Amino acid sequence: GAGVSQSPSNKVTEKGKDVELRCDPISGHTALYWYRQRLGQGLEFLIYFQGNSAPDKSGLPSDRFSAERTGESVSTLTIQRTQQEDSAVYLCASSLEGRSNQPQHFGDGTRLSIL
Amino acid sequence: AQSVTQLDSQVPVFEEAPVELRCNYSSSVSVYLFWYVQYPNQGLQLLLKYLSGSTLVESINGFEAEFNKSQTSFHLRKPSVHISDTAEYFCAVKQRGSTLGRLYFGRGTQLTVWP
Repeated sequence: GAGVSQSPSNKVTEKGKDVELRCDPISGHTALYWYRQRLGQGLEFLIYFQGNSAPDKSGLPSDRFSAERTGESVSTLTIQRTQQEDSAVYLCASSLEGRSNQPQHFGDGTRLSIL
Repeated sequence: AQSVTQLDSQVPVFEEAPVELRCNYSSSVSVYLFWYVQYPNQGLQLLLKYLSGSTLVESINGFEAEFNKSQTSFHLRKPSVHISDTAEYFCAVKQRGSTLGRLYFGRGTQLTVWP
């Protein structure tokens, strides 16, 4: 597809389980971002990948959160030992190049519910 | 660091009425400014952006926003709203010339248009 693709669209899991969320950016976009959106709140930055540079992990809330990106393609966000406060919509975005004025294009998100 | 304040969490209006969604930002450096719209169960879509030049920017569906440097504001306006404009609107800033690609978002304003 032409846009940012995220999977799964919904994920329900039990507290303590690990989850893996996937993001396929727009082809040719070197920058990729993960954000978290809790109910009734704005977007919280998690992590930013730019090409082959070291990622900006400054937004990850705890060491239970990690993310990887293979080159300039797919990214996965992993949450280990999930907690109820991890329930949120996780949004992925990509842009042509992160340091410039290029706008970010968002996927539809993964709605994560921790029971 | 940057911060974004959206003063109204909810704005209810009647169809064909004018609307203004307020956004103020705080930054020690120059920024790019964006408005995004989010429809239910979807990701964010770019509505309009201010990068440089004319301080008044317009979208294709009748919204406009004006950058006011002295008041550090970027309010969104539409002279006559439609029911289809019902959505959540997010203001965001990005630091110019930074190696950090992240956006800083406000908490969002839910616009509800009544018939």
